[in-house]
Amino acid sequence: GQSLEQPSEVTAVEGAIVQINCTYQTSGFYGLSWYQQHDGGAPTFLSYNALDGLEETGRFSSFLSRSDSYGYLLLQELQMKDSASYFCAVREGEGRRALTFGSGTRLQVQP
Amino acid sequence: DSGVTQTPKHLITATGQRVTLRCSPRSGDLSVYWYQQSLDQGLQFLIQYYNGEERAKGNILERFSAQQFPDLHSELNLSSLELGDSALYFCASSPRGGRASYEQYFGPGTRLTVT
Repeated sequence: GQSLEQPSEVTAVEGAIVQINCTYQTSGFYGLSWYQQHDGGAPTFLSYNALDGLEETGRFSSFLSRSDSYGYLLLQELQMKDSASYFCAVREGEGRRALTFGSGTRLQVQP
Repeated sequence: DSGVTQTPKHLITATGQRVTLRCSPRSGDLSVYWYQQSLDQGLQFLIQYYNGEERAKGNILERFSAQQFPDLHSELNLSSLELGDSALYFCASSPRGGRASYEQYFGPGTRLTVT
């Protein structure tokens, strides 16, 4: 089976940089995805890493180290609207495209 | 707006009842996934359909069933409802093939309250 661990809460100030870590255990690895979810809203796809290294998308970057079974989401120039929950996710398994989600990290951005 | 639609937005019903949740995927997406999100269980995969056929099952109870119709919309049926079934139910769809399959687009969800 799959399991993912991420911190439950992170607090940062506007304009700062924050890193949300995710460690995973999977029977087979097919990539790590990140999703954002605002309170009362739907999860929204942010980024995906299949290979080691950094993927950058605007203010958001995601990093993966397959040897360490570890990834992180980096949010720069934090804005109040970034206050949300962030989930890492892996595929359920070979031939299965459904996702197993971590329990989520609640990010609170303070002025 | 992800392009995935779900109805109804809210549903309040009593224990023992049966409800049907409806989902229309994004135009062109053949895969539909159902997820349940509750406070204590997080976001849990229930079932996936691809072009009308069941593709994968997750933590779906026997009281729950789903189907995908020829026009690709999907319905999730929940029966003999219990208080613990109260949750947000999301439908998601994904494009075909390659990296795109890792991007799932979620609908706004149906909030089910069982009283």
